[in-house]
Amino acid sequence: GAGVSQSPSNKVTEKGKDVELRCDPISGHTALYWYRQRLGQGLEFLIYFQGNSAPDKSGLPSDRFSAERTGESVSTLTIQRTQQEDSAVYLCASSLMGSQETQYFGPGTRLLVL
Amino acid sequence: DQQVKQNSPSLSVQEGRISILNCDYTNSMFDYFLWYKKYPAEGPTFLISISSIKDKNEDGRFTVFLNKSAKHLSLHIVPSQPGDSAVYFCAASGRTGANNLFFGTGTRLTVIP
Repeated sequence: GAGVSQSPSNKVTEKGKDVELRCDPISGHTALYWYRQRLGQGLEFLIYFQGNSAPDKSGLPSDRFSAERTGESVSTLTIQRTQQEDSAVYLCASSLMGSQETQYFGPGTRLLVL
Repeated sequence: DQQVKQNSPSLSVQEGRISILNCDYTNSMFDYFLWYKKYPAEGPTFLISISSIKDKNEDGRFTVFLNKSAKHLSLHIVPSQPGDSAVYFCAASGRTGANNLFFGTGTRLTVIP
């Protein structure tokens, strides 16, 4: 059975460039989350999608961050004009119905901004 | 403000002995708690959860205990095995108005053969 997949697995970019990260949730899961984990820290919530509802963007750290989701499938997280402090592992998770349920995580995208 | 705290960044245990990982939380609105296990270069893997209506949930070698009055939960692994060596994250959710899980900073468990 397919779990959550993310691409690329690793990304190295130069400061100021834009990056796009992709997440494929588990089929049938209506809820999708993006988290960020900086070195030595816990997971930091970024954004939440649930079905066709307006996304919860309360965790996005700045307007350089945005995310989209096509229906109940693929999501992309875009970081514009990357900064060195954006270096982190970006994790995507999905759950069957919503926020009170167990979330299943992808392997993450390791982003390094030079 | 860290609402879920794991105050021990690391723990070493001998193979076959019990591992006890601790987690404290501050938000009394949390009513669902989870433990995730993370290996290097992989995403967190769900391990076990507990609802606030219970004080214990057991799954094989893993048991989670919840003490609501102390706002404390713990994960017991017995007997510990070398393959249990990983970073363990505690997470919580509830009627907080937030849609996300709140995570602790993790405890790195090393099981020594």
